Amino acid sequence: KAGVTQTPRYLIKTRGQQVTLSCSPISGHRSVSWYQQTPGQGLQFLFEYFSETQRNKGNFPGRFSGRQFSNSRSEMNVSTLELGDSALYLCASTPGGGETQYFGPGTRLLVL
Amino acid sequence: DQQVKQNSPSLSVQEGRISILNCDYTNSMFDYFLWYKKYPAEGPTFLISISSIKDKNEDGRFTVFLNKSAKHLSLHIVPSQPGDSAVYFCAARGGGSNYKLTFGKGTLLTVNP
Repeated sequence: KAGVTQTPRYLIKTRGQQVTLSCSPISGHRSVSWYQQTPGQGLQFLFEYFSETQRNKGNFPGRFSGRQFSNSRSEMNVSTLELGDSALYLCASTPGGGETQYFGPGTRLLVL
Repeated sequence: DQQVKQNSPSLSVQEGRISILNCDYTNSMFDYFLWYKKYPAEGPTFLISISSIKDKNEDGRFTVFLNKSAKHLSLHIVPSQPGDSAVYFCAARGGGSNYKLTFGKGTLLTVNP
């Protein structure tokens, strides 16, 4: 089975712009979670989607949003980018949510 | 408030010896614990997990121990190999329908040949 895939792998944006990241889960997995990794804060949970509905949410501002499509693919959007949004954004999938989460390679976002 | 703590930022071990990575947590609602290994510029790779109803789980060279009363878990790797050199993250899952993972800050393991 193919693993979790994320596109793009690298992205450079400037402050004030918006960005959309994409995640394709493992085939058959319906739950997708997003995490942000920064050197200072480590890995932090953003949100989780299941069957096109946001089921869990972390403590991030409203500039961070996501959605899930009927094929379980998910997108994450960050609007009005700030320098502090520079991070590795990771997506993870599980069949239903309660099982082990398997991570993709991440998207490295640099905000200038 | 850091609910999952890995107090050792780094650990250096000789090849063939045992590596012990430690993790403490504060939230008694956590019901499932996982260890991930991560190389730079890659996503975390799942290693091993343990449910809160168990105190030990083994998978090949990897064993995870859970001490619920002390809110402590550890990952033992034996024997350690140079390819095990990576950052190891401990993660805990919230109980019930809260599937969010809370991660520790990680421990950099270096296995010297």
